[in-house]
Order: sequence, then C-alpha cells, then structure tokens
Amino acid sequence: EAAVTQSPRNKVTVTGGNVTLSCRQTNSHNYMYWYRQDTGHGLRLIHYSYGAGNLQIGDVPDGYKATRTTQEDFFLLLELASPSQTSLYFCASSEGTLGNTLYFGEGSRLIVV
Amino acid sequence: GEQVEQRPPHLSVREGDSAFIICTYTDSATAYFYWYKQEPGAGLQLLMSVFSNVDRKEEQGLTVLLNKKDKRLSLNLTAAHPGDSAVYFCAVSAYAQGLTFGLGTRVSVFP
Repeated sequence: EAAVTQSPRNKVTVTGGNVTLSCRQTNSHNYMYWYRQDTGHGLRLIHYSYGAGNLQIGDVPDGYKATRTTQEDFFLLLELASPSQTSLYFCASSEGTLGNTLYFGEGSRLIVV
Repeated sequence: GEQVEQRPPHLSVREGDSAFIICTYTDSATAYFYWYKQEPGAGLQLLMSVFSNVDRKEEQGLTVLLNKKDKRLSLNLTAAHPGDSAVYFCAVSAYAQGLTFGLGTRVSVFP
C-alpha cells in the first residue's frame, strides 16, 4: 500500500517565520501534491509536481514555495509565514494524474501566531 | 474552473440507517469521480472511484450513483455503524492538475 509520510505533524511559528513542511512517499509515484484544508474551503491545491525538479502551480500558491528534490521528497516552504497560513496541510502522491488514486499523508498542522 | 458543491455539511444518522451525500459539479468534461473518508487526525482515505462510463457502483455497504446529465454524484452508506463516523469528501477530476474537492460532509452515527 502507498505510504506517504509528513513531518512535522504539528508546528507553531511566529508571523514572519520560516517553515518547511516535508513529505516523503515510498512508492515511486510520479506525482506529488500539497493541499491545505480549511473549514469552509475543503481541500485546496497549493502546488504539485510530476517529477524531481518539476513544480506546477496549484489553485492557491500565493505565499508558498515548493521543491521536489527527488522522486520521493516534496517540500513546502513558507518563507514569511502569516496567520492566514494557519491550516492543516496534506501531502499526497499518485502514479499519474487523471484517473489515478491519490494517497494522502496524515497531515501537518501549522499554527502561525 | 471546476466547481464542486457538496451537501449536506453535517449528517446525523442512527446506527443501521442510511446516510446519503450528494455532490454536484460544473465541468461536463469531468471524467473521474472519487469518494474519500477522513477520520479524526488522519489523512483522506479512498473509499471508491468511478469512471464516467459507470452509473452505479456498489462495494461493501457503499453505493455510488453518477448522473452525468445532471452532473451529480452521490454516496449512500447503507446500514451505518459507528465506525462510519467521519468526514466524507467527494472529488472530481477533468484535467491533469489534480482533483477538485467538495467541502466535506461530517457524518455522525449514533446508537
């Protein structure tokens, strides 16, 4: 079964702080995604990637950078964190896109104070 | 872009009864349809996926109906039990940039 591991699971930072959320998948999936989940908004796609070195912009990319360093690893970077980025972040992976199941990590809860 | 509306946002059902969730979408090119379950403190877990050439799919107490004419997708949990208490999300896919999710339905099953 697909395994997607996120770290940290919980993080508190101050406004203007620098945060990196990490995601590793162990199934050699081509695609990886970062979503944020907020009450009233559901899950929204921030960035995604179809391979090492590739980055695609999602629906809500402002304030976020991402980097796919290897097939397995996808990082989400908040260089100047703001309270509006307080959220639950999910990483997911899939073999392809259209018609392919997404496998989700357990989430990283970020609080920006 | 694609818009997905999911209702109801909350649903309380007695153990043994059915829970019915509906999603509507806007893009007629949408070809793949999913239902995910999220338990507290966990990520989303795929319940069922349906391709657009399927109108009805049943698996393990779950029934998914797809009405492409009305752009409507539904999930019926038959004979709900406490382990079904969770948030359920529909998701649809038409293009290569991933899924569009509904806002979720929190289902509570009480004895």
